[in-house]
Amino acid sequence: DVVLTQTPPTLSATIGQSVSISCRSSQSLLHSNGNTYLNWLLQRPGQPPQLLIYLVSRLESGVPNRFSGSGSGTDFTLKISGVEAEDLGIYHCVQITHAPRTFGGGTKLELK
Amino acid sequence: QVQLKESGPGLVQPSQTLSLTCTVSGLSSTSNSVSWIRQPPGKGLEWMGVIWSNGDTDYNSAIKSRLSISRDTSKNQVFLKMNSLQTEDTAMYFCASSNFAYWGQGTLVTVSS
Repeated sequence: DVVLTQTPPTLSATIGQSVSISCRSSQSLLHSNGNTYLNWLLQRPGQPPQLLIYLVSRLESGVPNRFSGSGSGTDFTLKISGVEAEDLGIYHCVQITHAPRTFGGGTKLELK
Repeated sequence: QVQLKESGPGLVQPSQTLSLTCTVSGLSSTSNSVSWIRQPPGKGLEWMGVIWSNGDTDYNSAIKSRLSISRDTSKNQVFLKMNSLQTEDTAMYFCASSNFAYWGQGTLVTVSS
């Protein structure tokens, strides 16, 4: 199975600070059809996860553009340009290129 | 709009079988896959399995022998059955649509005598 390793496990930030989260895969996530199926989710406290970014860098409808995704192959990054209070929670990466689908271990974003 | 809602017993005894239902609205289960995901308290997300739009299923190999996912297309419902439950199966159970774009609120299942 594909292993996704997220770093750091915990991230402390002040409001307005820009932060990045890394998601590294044990195998390339490039599908034979040319797409790379790596998504980012945010799970606020007591809530189910919500989709932020799909296909590495495409912003889900309604998601603020302070969120951006980048990367290719096995290395991916989620960046938040100017953290806001509503961004606090756990960020998960998930791959759907290979079966079975697998999640990263999560990165908890908290206020410093 | 798209909604998914999980339902089932909150408490299951050890060694018993868990049965959960995911009721989907605003989305056809014959055109979209539905996955089950669980999250033990304070831990990360674990993908359990999926039922594809054509009715085929795939399961997490770690729990494949205990898990079954099925559906009733007339009711737009997806079902999860997992047997031989143990305390480590205590978790929030979610259903989610293709590519994890839509999620239910989750249902907490506690395995305890």
